[in-house]
Amino acid sequence: EVQLVESGGGLVQPGRSLRLSCTASGFTFGDYAMSWVRQAPGKGLEWVSFIRSKASGGTIEYAASVNGRFTISRDDSKNIAYLEMNSLKTEDTAVYYCARDITNWSQGVFDIWGQGTTVTVSS
Amino acid sequence: DTVMTQSPDSLAVSLGERATINCKSSQSVLYSSNNNNYLAWYQQKQGQPPKLLIYWASTRESGVPDRFSGSGSGTDFTLTISSLQAEDVAVYYCQQYYHTPYTFGQGTKLEIK
Repeated sequence: EVQLVESGGGLVQPGRSLRLSCTASGFTFGDYAMSWVRQAPGKGLEWVSFIRSKASGGTIEYAASVNGRFTISRDDSKNIAYLEMNSLKTEDTAVYYCARDITNWSQGVFDIWGQGTTVTVSS
Repeated sequence: DTVMTQSPDSLAVSLGERATINCKSSQSVLYSSNNNNYLAWYQQKQGQPPKLLIYWASTRESGVPDRFSGSGSGTDFTLTISSLQAEDVAVYYCQQYYHTPYTFGQGTKLEIK
């Protein structure tokens, strides 16, 4: 079964850090670009970042709202994508979804989603 | 950034009737060199992650019932559910992937009348 499972969420104080993980199974992880998409409580969807496959250069992009604070990475040997979040703000509070792109270079179409992990930034 | 605006914000339709959701982009998402519209639709049921329904504005994802269809080009798009079923109650989002940042509409909540 094709599956993505996020972990690492929790309650964290403003200014602190957190690392999210997305563990993939059921497909050749290294063949796909991966993205993180978040959803604030009661709100819509916001794309956060993508990382292309190694075959497509492993290029990375970020939304302006997280650029300079968040870092996406991947370990294809472990089938895991990461999102390192630093200098967290209260507005980063959201459910964070890991999503598989339909291509290896980030088309921007997401066909597989994890169940999400909740990040709450509060003092 | 490309702003995606959906209408209406919420919609109540009787079972078996047609549901129509509109999506307008602030810039064209039609790529002239390949004549493709870089527009997708997702369905999100309560407490679940989004599910891809349609991409390239009108290509149905594998396994999606054929009562779901997408149309439109350039800046104006429509998601149609031809005969509403109870399991279609959800929030629907359009998304442009013409360029980053990928952006979503605010969502349309679909309920049964």
